[in-house]
Amino acid sequence: DAGITQSPRHKVTETGTPVTLRCHQTENHRYMYWYRQDPGHGLRLIHYSYGVKDTDKGEVSDGYSVSRSKTEDFLLTLESATSSQTSVYFCAISESRGDRGGDEQFFGPGTRLTVL
Amino acid sequence: KQEVTQIPAALSVPEGENLVLNCSFTDSAIYNLQWFRQDPGKGLTSLLLIQSSQREQTSGRLNASLDKSSGRSTLYIAASQPGDSATYLCAVRGSNYKLTFGKGTLLTVNP
Repeated sequence: DAGITQSPRHKVTETGTPVTLRCHQTENHRYMYWYRQDPGHGLRLIHYSYGVKDTDKGEVSDGYSVSRSKTEDFLLTLESATSSQTSVYFCAISESRGDRGGDEQFFGPGTRLTVL
Repeated sequence: KQEVTQIPAALSVPEGENLVLNCSFTDSAIYNLQWFRQDPGKGLTSLLLIQSSQREQTSGRLNASLDKSSGRSTLYIAASQPGDSATYLCAVRGSNYKLTFGKGTLLTVNP
């Protein structure tokens, strides 16, 4: 299994509070991603990173920010959590092998977030 | 915008049957396609990765094919087992390293 951990694994919080989720990898992969998974919507990309301090938005980035100060850590922050952000959040990593299209994505175990 | 569709949404088969899961995508300009398995309450496990230049990939009882020009991929599972029960997801990668996922096929293999 790829060395990806997510913390916390479960969290319950209240509307309006800030929340930070952490993704940690031991694979030294360049690319890291945050997805959310919701019934009826499947997996959707929130933000991704293509290097330290290099990030970009995905399709559902509103209300979320990210930071990557080290290769191994990618943080997802909900500045002011809302009930619509109740979801399961997955982190993923990949590395380009130089051959076009060679990157395989590996996923972490997920964080279940409930916003009351 | 890339859209990925998986048919059927759910499938129930008896143990030992061979089966095919389907995935279609609207934009054929993909770099690769990846098949995943997800068990209830768990993360995604990568099963197979097919590069855009490849036609198929095999791993054990699994065989995935890719027809990029028609926007289709299939995942063939031979001699299905109850342990194969899970949700199977396909995802395509565009030029910007982003994956677009289908909503999955829920497979149940009955003993």
